[in-house]
Amino acid sequence: KNQVEQSPQSLIILEGKNCTLQCNYTVSPFSNLRWYKQDTGRGPVSLTIMTFSENTKSNGRYTATLDADTKQSSLHITASQLSDSASYICVVSAYGNKLVFGAGTILRVKS
Amino acid sequence: NAGVTQTPKFQVLKTGQSMTLQCAQDMNHNSMYWYRQDPGMGLRLIYYSASEGTTDKGEVPNGYNVSRLNKREFSLRLESAAPSQTSVYFCASSEARSSGNYNEQFFGPGTRLTVL
Repeated sequence: KNQVEQSPQSLIILEGKNCTLQCNYTVSPFSNLRWYKQDTGRGPVSLTIMTFSENTKSNGRYTATLDADTKQSSLHITASQLSDSASYICVVSAYGNKLVFGAGTILRVKS
Repeated sequence: NAGVTQTPKFQVLKTGQSMTLQCAQDMNHNSMYWYRQDPGMGLRLIYYSASEGTTDKGEVPNGYNVSRLNKREFSLRLESAAPSQTSVYFCASSEARSSGNYNEQFFGPGTRLTVL
């Protein structure tokens, strides 16, 4: 069964600190993996998209990594800001563009 | 560009009532999608339209119907609402729904629906 599991479910960090969110997947055949940021009351917005051959991709303070062998991805946030408070969703695409969504990690950044 | 817009933003229905959720995109995208998001679960695909004039069922289509009115607009209808349909509904669009490409989806702001 195609599944995407994210950990932790929620996380609280202090402003300025770094954090790493995890994503494990069992989607096959794999096409690409995406990380989305969803602010409260808004729709998801894409942060990064990685294919099988890409190990890492950055978008400002966000860096995503992908290990296609172990079927794991992580999203690292550097020097967190209050505006980083959101839900971060890992989404894996199988060929044929079937998207499998994780339940998300809720991040709260405190001052 | 407004991107993907959805109306209404909030709605409360009684069991058995019907309603239509509206979605429009101004990015000239071919494909459009309807998802529902429930607490503790990932987004689930209800219906999609790969191109104007076509619609197909997704993962959870029961209790819903859709209409691809034109290239811009894709509506979702609940004929007889049930409490299990209480959820947040997102519309999304992408350039195409073909295999092998990134096919990034752009999401609307959502409609929060409560069925009593």
